[in-house]
Amino acid sequence: AQSVTQLGSHVSVSEGALVLLRCNYSSSVPPYLFWYVQYPNQGLQLLLKYTSAATLVKGINGFEAEFKKSETSFHLTKPSAHMSDAAEYFCAVSERAAGNKLTFGGGTRVLVKP
Amino acid sequence: DTAVSQTPKYLVTQMGNDKSIKCEQNLGHDTMYWYKQDSKKFLKIMFSYNNKELIINETVPNRFSPKSPDKAHLNLHINSLELGDSAVYFCASSSWVSGGYNEQFFGPGTRLTVL
Repeated sequence: AQSVTQLGSHVSVSEGALVLLRCNYSSSVPPYLFWYVQYPNQGLQLLLKYTSAATLVKGINGFEAEFKKSETSFHLTKPSAHMSDAAEYFCAVSERAAGNKLTFGGGTRVLVKP
Repeated sequence: DTAVSQTPKYLVTQMGNDKSIKCEQNLGHDTMYWYKQDSKKFLKIMFSYNNKELIINETVPNRFSPKSPDKAHLNLHINSLELGDSAVYFCASSSWVSGGYNEQFFGPGTRLTVL
């Protein structure tokens, strides 16, 4: 079975500082990996995805993530945090052989300080 | 707007009642999902339908019964509601393309509160 671990349930950053959210996965097959963002009282919005093409993936709102097979990681970064980045972020792995079900990490809440 | 929509957005009910949540997508996708998000924000798959056929059925109490009248709709009926059913339920959809599935698009969620 696949699994996802997000290190740090809460991250606090200053506006303008680097945002780094860590995600490690476990998968027996080449994974499809995703980062989703959830704003308060809203659904999940896709930030970016890795589907076995380029290992450095660029997404919306200035976010990017790098797939590192040797480290089984897919960390999310943004060079300069904005107040609007305050939200919950979820890393997920897709089990394509099992109906494409997503297995999510526990989420990381990002707080941006002015 | 092209999207995944859910009704109702909020649902407050008493223990023991039966309730339904509806989901519709106009994205032309062939696969739909139900996820449950608990009070600690943990998200877990419940069910998935592909072209009206059940393809994922996780370990969920049989009080929960999904129904897909067509590939654009996936409803969730819950019998004999319990306190532990209180959560946010998300519907999602995706499409199959050559090489695998595309990403899943999520609805806004239905917050169910059981009193």
